[in-house]
Amino acid sequence: DAKTTQPPSMDCAEGRAANLPCNHSTISGNEYVYWYRQIHSQGPQYIIHGLKNNETNEMASLIITEDRKSSTLILPHATLRDTAVYYCIVRVVVYGGSQGNLIFGKGTKLSVKP
Amino acid sequence: EAGVVQSPRYKIIEKKQPVAFWCNPISGHNTLYWYRQNLGQGPELLIRYENEEAVDDSQLPKDRFSAERLKGVDSTLKIQPAELGDSAVYLCASSLGPFGGRSYNEQFFGPGTRLTVL
Repeated sequence: DAKTTQPPSMDCAEGRAANLPCNHSTISGNEYVYWYRQIHSQGPQYIIHGLKNNETNEMASLIITEDRKSSTLILPHATLRDTAVYYCIVRVVVYGGSQGNLIFGKGTKLSVKP
Repeated sequence: EAGVVQSPRYKIIEKKQPVAFWCNPISGHNTLYWYRQNLGQGPELLIRYENEEAVDDSQLPKDRFSAERLKGVDSTLKIQPAELGDSAVYLCASSLGPFGGRSYNEQFFGPGTRLTVL
């Protein structure tokens, strides 16, 4: 079972920041927070991941609370092409083993509107 | 650089018929994954390969599903016989390897094969 809780859907106006929350209250010290997204009729796409520090890349920013029990994915200037299902996943980064497998929940369906 | 290639993109079959899906991972990626995605759900892992070895097939329904990756490159997933409940999108993904680290754990997904069983 997925170890995260996400709202089933969210709307965002084009050009505004999209803030997608994720709760992972049972996260362990050696588990990372990963975000993937899936645009309609495509496979999931990696966005970003982090352990405890905030992370930023060309796609998004990841803010993790100090207690690591929740996080927020931020798309700073959402476009229509960002409409997708966003998955928040916690996983152990280990060599081999099933513990490192990606376990997807239902995610958040983000709709960016003009 | 080419991404993960899957074929066919769509397949419609009658129940009890066999079906096969093909996947060619990104060049140099040693780890290959097959996932199944039911409508409205996230993908679920079926099997993971490290090179030609299936190292995690605990979620593969072995009575009717089989997979192979003979030369450690491309892979085939087969269902025989198909049932109505097998209708889903079958996704293939690959990664450089299973090692810990920023890049090795990024999985790249193909577009999937949408299977409809009538």
